[in-house]
Parts: sequence; C-alpha cells; structure tokens
Amino acid sequence: DGGITQSPKYLFRKEGQNVTLSCEQNLNHDAMYWYRQDPGQGLRLIYYSQIVNDFQKGDIAEGYSVSREKKESFPLTVTSAQKNPTAFYLCASRAPPNTQYFGPGTRLTVL
Amino acid sequence: QQQVKQSPQSLIVQKGGISIINCAYENTAFDYFPWYQQFPGKGPALLIAIRPDVSEKKEGRFTISFNKSAKQFSLHIMDSQPGDSATYFCAASMSNNQGGKLIFGQGTELSVKP
Repeated sequence: DGGITQSPKYLFRKEGQNVTLSCEQNLNHDAMYWYRQDPGQGLRLIYYSQIVNDFQKGDIAEGYSVSREKKESFPLTVTSAQKNPTAFYLCASRAPPNTQYFGPGTRLTVL
Repeated sequence: QQQVKQSPQSLIVQKGGISIINCAYENTAFDYFPWYQQFPGKGPALLIAIRPDVSEKKEGRFTISFNKSAKQFSLHIMDSQPGDSATYFCAASMSNNQGGKLIFGQGTELSVKP
C-alpha cells in the first residue's frame, strides 16, 4: 500500500511540553512538506525538505523543528516556544515536478 | 505577490446545479495550479490541476478554466451532488523554484443541498 502515513491521529500537549508528529512515506519522493491548518484558513507551510539531511523554513517556522535523516521520514517537533500550537497538521510529499500528496493529518490540542 | 485569493468563502448549491469557485494570483512565475478537495478531519486530496499553456481541463464533472491574461482560474463542478460537499482549495506553485512550494487560497466550503 503506497502512501503517506501520519501518527498519531490525535495528540494532546500540556503547556511547556515538546511533542513530535510522525510522517512516513513509501512513495520514494525526495521532497516532503509540513503544513498547518487552522479553522477557516488555508494551509500554511511550516518546513520543507527537498532531500535527505536538508530542510528549509517555510512561512511559519517559529516554534517548530524538523529533521530529515531518512528519505521516508520527516518528523515535526512542536516546541514549547510555539505559543498557539492547537491546529491540524498535514504532511505532504511531492511527485516531480509539482504534484503534492497529503497524509491524513494529526490534530494537536493544547490542554 | 505570493498570495492566491479565493472566493467565495462559502457556497450553497442545489443538487444538480453548477458550483463555481474562483481564484486569482499575482505572480506570473506560477506555472502549476492544482485544486484540492478536503473532507472534515481528512487530508486534502488532489482533484484536478492545470498548467498555463491550456485554457481548460476537464475530468468527469470537474473542469478548470484558466485565464492567463487575467491571472485567474476557476473550478466548475457540474451536476453537483451532496457527496461533493467539502472544502475546496486552489493553489499555485512554480516549477524548478522555491522547492515546489504550494501557495494555497483560503478555501471554499461547499454545501450541496439535496
């Protein structure tokens, strides 16, 4: 089964806690992306990676960190520096040249 | 210059009617324009996409119309069905530049009434 998986589906974070969202793909895509979605808004880019061991900040990177140690995996850490982390987080990978495919998302809630 | 503006924010259509969602962009370097469909609690799914060298692309009941001179593109859903009720996003990107980043519109919440 080819595709993008995200886990967990739901995540709850306490104030001051770091949490890590998982994103895995078996599509053999080089490029991967993390987006944040808030109610009534479009998707905003947090970080992206075009190749293993390389990543760039998107439009709203503050309070987030990523790593790309394997082609298949692009985990996102929401740090305590992110003041308003409650949102729906979406991971995507890109088939050349442009087509992005999305995972099912992780809903993060701050308690 | 990097924005994509989408309208309307919400749309109610009767079953069998035509749903029309519009998007406008400023950056003429954009060369790929996809539409995504998203159901509540799910990730967006690619619906249809177009490049600026064509003015129209049709896939089943879904059609993209593209007006390069006006820097506008639209999604038409013919014979709209209740199962089409979802949020639709337009987007734009530049090939071979900026890591293939997609710039999304704000989304249109479509409701098709039976």
